[in-house]
Amino acid sequence: EAGVAQSPRYKIIEKRQSVAFWCNPISGHATLYWYQQILGQGPKLLIQFQNNGVVDDSQLPKDRFSAERLKGVDSTLKIQPAKLEDSAVYLCASSLGVPGNEKLFFGSGTQLSVL
Amino acid sequence: GDSVTQMEGPVTLSEEAFLTINCTYTATGYPSLFWYVQYPGEGLQLLLKATKADDKGSNKGFEATYRKETTSFHLEKGSVQVSDSAVYFCALAHAGTALIFGKGTTLSVSS
Repeated sequence: EAGVAQSPRYKIIEKRQSVAFWCNPISGHATLYWYQQILGQGPKLLIQFQNNGVVDDSQLPKDRFSAERLKGVDSTLKIQPAKLEDSAVYLCASSLGVPGNEKLFFGSGTQLSVL
Repeated sequence: GDSVTQMEGPVTLSEEAFLTINCTYTATGYPSLFWYVQYPGEGLQLLLKATKADDKGSNKGFEATYRKETTSFHLEKGSVQVSDSAVYFCALAHAGTALIFGKGTTLSVSS
């Protein structure tokens, strides 16, 4: 079974530039998550989709971050403009059904460095 | 809001030593509790979970018991191996909501 695919694996940009990350979840998984993991901290939820609808984006900095999940499958996360504090690993995860006690499957992440 | 607190790392052990990584939580109601593990160069993966009080989750020799009275979910293993070296994350979730993670604890096991 193919896992959660993310690209790119690494990205280096300068502050005020824009960047986009892509995620392809496991086939058939209805729920998709984007997490931000800053060095030395645990992952923090940015946004949660159920199919192509947003369930929770309360911690997404909407002035600079945006995300979409077209046709309930792939998803993109964009940062525009980037700040130094956005340097982190961006993790995509998916699960089969409604979250709560469901197992999440994580991708390898995109490591972003903002200079 | 809900939160998870883990013991600070790194934890450094010799092979075959006993492991305990402490995890406590603050939450309303009765969340499900999880341990996720991140091996070097790999993505996060579920290690074990418990969905109600007094449940014990277990996998690969690791165990954790959901203790409602102490709001804890400590991870234990009787005899660690070098291959257990990884970062361990305690997490909680309510029905319909995403995981809330602790900061993670790095375990390093030497032979």
